[in-house]
Amino acid sequence: GAVVSQHPSRVICKSGTSVKIECRSLDFQATTMFWYRQFPKKSLMLMATSNEGSKATYEQGVEKDKFLINHASLTLSTLTVTSAHPEDSSFYICSARAGTEETQYFGPGTRLLVL
Amino acid sequence: GENVEQHPSTLSVQEGDSAVIKCTYSDSASNYFPWYKQELGKRPQLIIDIRSNVGEKKDQRIAVTLNKTAKHFSLHITETQPEDSAVYFCAAKESGGYNKLIFGAGTRLAVHP
Repeated sequence: GAVVSQHPSRVICKSGTSVKIECRSLDFQATTMFWYRQFPKKSLMLMATSNEGSKATYEQGVEKDKFLINHASLTLSTLTVTSAHPEDSSFYICSARAGTEETQYFGPGTRLLVL
Repeated sequence: GENVEQHPSTLSVQEGDSAVIKCTYSDSASNYFPWYKQELGKRPQLIIDIRSNVGEKKDQRIAVTLNKTAKHFSLHITETQPEDSAVYFCAAKESGGYNKLIFGAGTRLAVHP
């Protein structure tokens, strides 16, 4: 149980385009999902917290107009990187938590390369 | 807010030896401390967690200890095997708000045959 999927697993796009990443909880209802960014050999940097049916809460320094987050259902959250630039290239990972449980289950990550 | 520090950043051991990774946290109200293992290019996987109402928890070769007074917790891996090689992250749940996890910088463990 507690499986989280992400799609796509990797994506290459041109500068200026937008990219949407999906995060799904497959066997549980995720009231809260988290989006992280991870640079090579670095830790997980929290970008935003997404609660079903409400606006995402962004961490300091993360541009909410650039990283659009939508959590429209209890099993799906999306992250859209708008007007992507090469510096947005990174490994993006989501995690999901059920109800009031503390455990976060991570998706497999999406590797984004912006040319 | 919560701040988590993790040491060492790299750890190399011989197969069969023990490995210890230590973390400190700043928020005395934090009450949940998970440990994740991340293999190269893979997702972080929860390997063990501990809540503040206990001081130690074991699961086969893995154990975690918590010292609330000193605000530090440690991961202990005994009888290490090459497949234990990975990056290990500690985390502390921030009190209040959405109970987000604050991660340590990670420890790269290499177990040599």
